[in-house]
Amino acid sequence: AQSVTQPDIHITVSEGASLELRCNYSYGATPYLFWYVQSPGQGLQLLLKYFSGDTLVQGIKGFEAEFKRSQSSFNLRKPSVHWSDAAEYFCAVGLFTGGGNKLTFGTGTQLKVEL
Amino acid sequence: DGGITQSPKYLFRKEGQNVTLSCEQNLNHDAMYWYRQDPGQGLRLIYYSQIVNDFQKGDIAEGYSVSREKKESFPLTVTSAQKNPTAFYLCASSISGRGSKNIQYFGAGTRLSVL
Repeated sequence: AQSVTQPDIHITVSEGASLELRCNYSYGATPYLFWYVQSPGQGLQLLLKYFSGDTLVQGIKGFEAEFKRSQSSFNLRKPSVHWSDAAEYFCAVGLFTGGGNKLTFGTGTQLKVEL
Repeated sequence: DGGITQSPKYLFRKEGQNVTLSCEQNLNHDAMYWYRQDPGQGLRLIYYSQIVNDFQKGDIAEGYSVSREKKESFPLTVTSAQKNPTAFYLCASSISGRGSKNIQYFGAGTRLSVL
């Protein structure tokens, strides 16, 4: 079965600093990979996705992520963090089965931004 | 506006009571999903449905039931058999089938608490 590990439960960065959130997955085939963001008490918003092709993918709000097959990783990055980026971030791997598209989520990384 | 509507936003359950969470989408998506979110555990799949009148159990279906009588609606019932129902419940929808357009979009969630 597929699994996703987000090793950092909490991360604090200063506004304007760069950010990298780690995500490692376990999956037997080429995965579909996603990053979602969640503000307190809200649903999830898709930041970016990887299905195939270019391993560096661009998303909304200035985020990017790089798929590294050799490291089973899909880390999320942003060059300069804004205070509004404070939220919880979830990495997910998608498995398409005969029954549909199932997502397995990591446990999330809570981002705090210091002004 | 197209989207996913979950209601109510907050719900309270008494001991031995069944409660139903509503999820409606106007995105014309065939597939719908229910997730449970607990602090520090990410999202876990309860049930999903790829087509009207058909649904499959996810990873934590015990104590829950669903129906899919209409394409746009996928209500979740939390039964009295679910002994620890306090959580944040998220509904999602997507197109069916493989490919880069198979992205899950989320509602704003329902927070269920036990009285």
